[in-house]
Amino acid sequence: NAGVMQNPRHLVRRRGQEARLRCSPMKGHSHVYWYRQLPEEGLKFMVYLQKENIIDESGMPKERFSAEFPKEGPSILRIQQVVRGDSAAYFCASRTGESYEQYFGPGTRLTVT
Amino acid sequence: AQSVTQLDSQVPVFEEAPVELRCNYSSSVSVYLFWYVQYPNQGLQLLLKYLSGSTLVKGINGFEAEFNKSQTSFHLRKPSVHISDTAEYFCAVSPSRSNDYKLSFGAGTTVTVRA
Repeated sequence: NAGVMQNPRHLVRRRGQEARLRCSPMKGHSHVYWYRQLPEEGLKFMVYLQKENIIDESGMPKERFSAEFPKEGPSILRIQQVVRGDSAAYFCASRTGESYEQYFGPGTRLTVT
Repeated sequence: AQSVTQLDSQVPVFEEAPVELRCNYSSSVSVYLFWYVQYPNQGLQLLLKYLSGSTLVKGINGFEAEFNKSQTSFHLRKPSVHISDTAEYFCAVSPSRSNDYKLSFGAGTTVTVRA
């Protein structure tokens, strides 16, 4: 059973461009979380999704950020018109509906130039 | 809401010496407690967890942690570290009676093991 997959692992974008981060949860996992790790900080919760539904987006910036987890395919975190302050590591985690335990992917490191 | 404070940002330690990483939390509801390890440029790996029951929990790689409800602490210990334990360690909590289990993390403690 492959672990949580994230791609790309590294992403470089110029200011104003769009960034799309993908997360494929572990097989059988229907719950996905996105966390952001800013330099020298711990991880901060962004959004929690189940298939086709956003359950909790209380940690998402109100503008430019969106997330989805379609019925088929990976979860996508989308950042429009990126700014330097968006530079961070973005981690995805997944779990089954019956368990509390989250399994983390290797992260996508976004650099905005 | 929950918050987590890791009291030490950097902990240098010699190989084969013991190490303790301190974690305090604040929450108005009961919580589950976790310690994760992050090796350079990798994702987080669960070291151990406290859900209920015995306050001393054992995890992988020889780590253990003790839950102290009165002091709202969950300190991580290892009696003898190896060079390979050099990593960043995160303490985290999630509400135990909720349907989302989102994690709140501390800022992390960087452990550097020297020969």
